[in-house]
Amino acid sequence: QVQLVDSGGGVVRPGGSLRLSCAASGFTFSSFGMHWVRQAPGKGLEWVAIVWSDGTTKYYADSVKGRLTISRDNSKNTLDLQMNSLRVEDTAMYYCAREALCSGVSCGYFQHWGQGALVTVSS
Amino acid sequence: EIVLTQSPATLSLSPGETATLSCRASQSVSNYLAWYQQKPGQAPRLLIYDASNRATGIPGRFSGSGSGTDFTLTISSLEPEDFAVYYCQQRSNWPPYSFGQGTKLEI
Repeated sequence: QVQLVDSGGGVVRPGGSLRLSCAASGFTFSSFGMHWVRQAPGKGLEWVAIVWSDGTTKYYADSVKGRLTISRDNSKNTLDLQMNSLRVEDTAMYYCAREALCSGVSCGYFQHWGQGALVTVSS
Repeated sequence: EIVLTQSPATLSLSPGETATLSCRASQSVSNYLAWYQQKPGQAPRLLIYDASNRATGIPGRFSGSGSGTDFTLTISSLEPEDFAVYYCQQRSNWPPYSFGQGTKLEI
């Protein structure tokens, strides 16, 4: 069965860095777009970034552009999020998410989710 | 950026009743809209995609409708496990992929 395991969360000072990872199993990782979605405490869902199945194309939310970097390693079935210049407002649970299949093609809905990694940015 | 507005913010119903949740887009998203359920301490779960298609394993009491800018999630014969927060999300015009602010379905 599909499994996504998020790791790497923790407490960091404003301006600091953190790297999140997502280990994928149970499906052909290289066939699906992968995303990071976050949720601040008590708030709604916010899409963060996408990397296409082959890793060549990436897009980011304006709120994280230039500070967060998504990457993937299809040989290891892993998805990463490098987080630099962190701000208090980046405090959230970060979920990796696999795209759904729409008519047999990977599409921009989030079918499978990791359990989340909590990032707290505080002085 | 497409803004999704969900209503009501909170819906209070009893088991056995029917819930009707609304999602309105700031511009047409065709039928490229999904619905998610989230329970406390859990990741969201995909219920409906492309406005009206149930995701794998989702019970038949969940149904979606709409196109363009107005969408509805209907939950018939509410079960105790259905009380949760529900989000809509569009994939029509991205980035960004946008979510609604959520509707809390409470007993």
